[in-house]
Amino acid sequence: DAKTTQPNSMESNEEEPVHLPCNHSTISGTDYIHWYRQLPSQGPEYVIHGLTSNVNNRMASLAIAEDRKSSTLILHRATLRDAAVYYCILTPSGNTPLVFGKGTRLSVIA
Amino acid sequence: DAGVIQSPRHEVTEMGQEVTLRCKPISGHNSLFWYRQTMMRGLELLIYFNNNVPIDDSGMPEDRFSAKMPNASFSTLKIQPSEPRDSAVYFCASSFQGGLAGYTFGSGTRLTVV
Repeated sequence: DAKTTQPNSMESNEEEPVHLPCNHSTISGTDYIHWYRQLPSQGPEYVIHGLTSNVNNRMASLAIAEDRKSSTLILHRATLRDAAVYYCILTPSGNTPLVFGKGTRLSVIA
Repeated sequence: DAGVIQSPRHEVTEMGQEVTLRCKPISGHNSLFWYRQTMMRGLELLIYFNNNVPIDDSGMPEDRFSAKMPNASFSTLKIQPSEPRDSAVYFCASSFQGGLAGYTFGSGTRLTVV
C-alpha cells in the first residue's frame, strides 16, 4: 500500500482556518486520497475524498497537488468540536480496506 | 439510518473466557471490516468480508480469533480463549461502492480482559 506522511500534531485557534498536510510521494495513478477523523471515544468518521481535482463538502475542502504527491485538508473555521485525530489514507479503486497510520492530532484552542 | 451498530459497548471478562462481539452493518452495504485499536498499535485491520465472504484475514492475530458473517446484516468476532493482551477497542465498519461512498464505522466495543 502507498504510504502517507503526516505531522504528529498540530494546534489551531478556534474560528481560524486549519491546513492539515499529507505527503504521499509514492501514490499511483489510480489511488484515491481519503481523509477520516476520529473524535475522542468515537469511531473514525468520513471527512472527504478525492482523486485528482480539489473537492469541497460541508465539512472541509481537499486540495490536491498537481503531481498528486501531496494533499491538504482544509477546515475553514476550526471549532472545539474539530479536535480529533485526522487520518490521510490512500486506497486503490475497488473495495479495499482503509489502512490507518498514526494520523495528525489536532488541538483547537478557545 | 441507525448506522453501524455494535454490541456490547463495553465488555469485561476474565482471562480464558470466550468473548463474542457483534456487528450489524448498514443495510445495503456489501463490505464489512473488523478493526482493533490500542494505544501501542493504533487502528489495525483484522479481517474483511465482501458480499458475506471473508476476503483477507491476515490481520487476525492468532487462531484464538475467528469471525463470521452468516448473512448481509450480521457479523461476529469471537475470541476464545481471551487473554489480557486482547484488551482493546474493536470497531466494525461497512461500505458500499468500493468505499467511495465512504466507510461507516460503529461506536466500537471496549473489551477489557482481566
